[in-house]
Amino acid sequence: AQSVTQPDIHITVSEGASLELRCNYSYGATPYLFWYVQSPGQGLQLLLKYFSGDTLVQGIKGFEAEFKRSQSSFNLRKPSVHWSDAAEYFCAVVAYNQGGKLIFGQGTELSVKP
Amino acid sequence: GAGVSQSPSNKVTEKGKDVELRCDPISGHTALYWYRQSLGQGLEFLIYFQGNSAPDKSGLPSDRFSAERTGGSVSTLTIQRTQQEDSAVYLCASSSSGTGGFGANVLTFGAGSRLTVL
Repeated sequence: AQSVTQPDIHITVSEGASLELRCNYSYGATPYLFWYVQSPGQGLQLLLKYFSGDTLVQGIKGFEAEFKRSQSSFNLRKPSVHWSDAAEYFCAVVAYNQGGKLIFGQGTELSVKP
Repeated sequence: GAGVSQSPSNKVTEKGKDVELRCDPISGHTALYWYRQSLGQGLEFLIYFQGNSAPDKSGLPSDRFSAERTGGSVSTLTIQRTQQEDSAVYLCASSSSGTGGFGANVLTFGAGSRLTVL
């Protein structure tokens, strides 16, 4: 069965520093991959998605993610973090051999220090 | 509607009582999901409805949990004989398709129903 692993439960970065959140998936074919963000007290919001084509995808709020088939990864990056980026980030994959449902990773909580 | 609507937003109940949580998806969205988010946990898949197909119930944690979707629109998640470990935020999401294609599987989430079992 497809699965998504986010190895880092909690990450702290300084404001203005770069950020990379890791996501690894297991799926035999080309996956459909997503990153969602959940800000405190807010619902989940889509940051970006990868279906096919260019392996570097741009999202909202200055985020980008790169699909690397050889590493089964879809890491989320941002060159300069803002305090408002503090939130929980979820990577997700469509499980097409499980009826097309969306499977989420455990999430990575991002803290931003001044 | 403009977004996914969930009710109630907060529910406090006593152990052993039954609860119903409602989700009103975006009009025209064929796919509807229920997830559970416990404190410090990720998003746990519960159940998935796609059009007129039989729902995928593989994530329901026990037979105390059930869900239905009437007329391909509103969904109700029912938890019978609630236990304290059922305390969580129950999230509903909908999307325009569950079978692929650009824009497919981009979920729009509701604000959630926070359930507290005393």
